Amino acid sequence: AQTVTQSQPEMSVQEAETVTLSCTYDTSESDYYLFWYKQPPSRQMILVIRQEAYKQQNATENRFSVNFQKAAKSFSLKISDSQLGDAAMYFCAYRSANTGNQFYFGTGTSLTVIP
Amino acid sequence: EPEVTQTPSHQVTQMGQEVILRCVPISNHLYFYWYRQILGQKVEFLVSFYNNEISEKSEIFDDQFSVERPDGSNFTLKIRSTKLEDSAMYFCASSSRDWYQETQYFGPGTRLLVL
Repeated sequence: AQTVTQSQPEMSVQEAETVTLSCTYDTSESDYYLFWYKQPPSRQMILVIRQEAYKQQNATENRFSVNFQKAAKSFSLKISDSQLGDAAMYFCAYRSANTGNQFYFGTGTSLTVIP
Repeated sequence: EPEVTQTPSHQVTQMGQEVILRCVPISNHLYFYWYRQILGQKVEFLVSFYNNEISEKSEIFDDQFSVERPDGSNFTLKIRSTKLEDSAMYFCASSSRDWYQETQYFGPGTRLLVL
């Protein structure tokens, strides 16, 4: 089974600064999708960004971007110009393109934004 | 923007009792999922559901669990005889497609506590 590892249980960042959350995964597949979800204290998990493994270009969504290193099986999330509303639990997730539709999640990183 | 909703937000039950967790997926979605997260652990896949039948399930989803789409809007997870270890946050999700990268949209969760 695929495994997803988030090695940073907690991170903090100063408002307006940049922070990078790390995620690594283990798979033998070549075709898959990667996601970052944000879960604010209100508990709704919201999609932040997604990446198709066949695309070499890193995905970007406004202040959020990823550094996808397929050979290293690494998928980090960079948040630029951090805002107070970015404070949340962030989950990295993996989904196979061929062998099922379930998501495999990491344990999450709790991000604190310091005013 | 359409959202997945779940009720109740919290449920406390006695060991051995039956519980039903309810979800209303996004209206035009066709694929439905349940995940759970035991406190401090990863979000884990339980089951996926399409066309009124289970399409995939994990080892966690044993005979104590069942899912149903009783009408055109609700999607339920039933635990027949709850155990202490069933205490967790249960997330419902839905998506509009399966074998592509379509994103799963998550509800806010139901926190189940089994005493």
